[in-house]
Amino acid sequence: GENVEQHPSTLSVQEGDSAVIKCTYSDSASNYFPWYKQELGKRPQLIIDIRSNVGEKKDQRIAVTLNKTAKHFSLHITETQPEDSAVYFCAATPGTGFQKLVFGTGTRLLVSP
Amino acid sequence: DAGVIQSPRHEVTEMGQEVTLRCKPISGHNSLFWYRQTMMRGLELLIYFNNNVPIDDSGMPEDRFSAKMPNASFSTLKIQPSEPRDSAVYFCASTPFDRDTEAFFGQGTRLTVV
Repeated sequence: GENVEQHPSTLSVQEGDSAVIKCTYSDSASNYFPWYKQELGKRPQLIIDIRSNVGEKKDQRIAVTLNKTAKHFSLHITETQPEDSAVYFCAATPGTGFQKLVFGTGTRLLVSP
Repeated sequence: DAGVIQSPRHEVTEMGQEVTLRCKPISGHNSLFWYRQTMMRGLELLIYFNNNVPIDDSGMPEDRFSAKMPNASFSTLKIQPSEPRDSAVYFCASTPFDRDTEAFFGQGTRLTVV
């Protein structure tokens, strides 16, 4: 089955800096890669996703890149703000059948003012 | 829509007791997922349903865990008997389509087994 690894487990940056979180996946047939943000005590919420037919997607300060050959994808946050502090999860879903999101172990991002 | 609704929000029970967690998915969504979140293992998929039918329960830890979806608007996750290692936050999520779509999570149930 699919296995998703995520690095780093914690990331501390200064406000205004960029943050990058990386994930690798094992199933070459996976074709949908969402990123979820979970604030302390809250539910995970989708912030951006990418499908295997594109290599990059941007939404304001957030971007995701996908390298299918290397089986890895990354989340990039520019101009970080304290409210970006949260746990971020990457996920992958197998290429066929019903959606079965397999999550990475999460990255705790701390943005200091 | 009020989103995915889970109950109770918090549950404290004694080891050996039966625990039932409840979930109401978003109306019109055809897939429902149960996840368990712990510090050690992150978000683990326990089971998911499509059109009320269990599709994959390979993540259910053991026979003490069972899940049902009797209709499109209700699902339960039951643990019997409960053990301290079951302590975690249990999330229910639903999706509007079969795949490649956002999963909408409920607020979660924080279960503590003492």
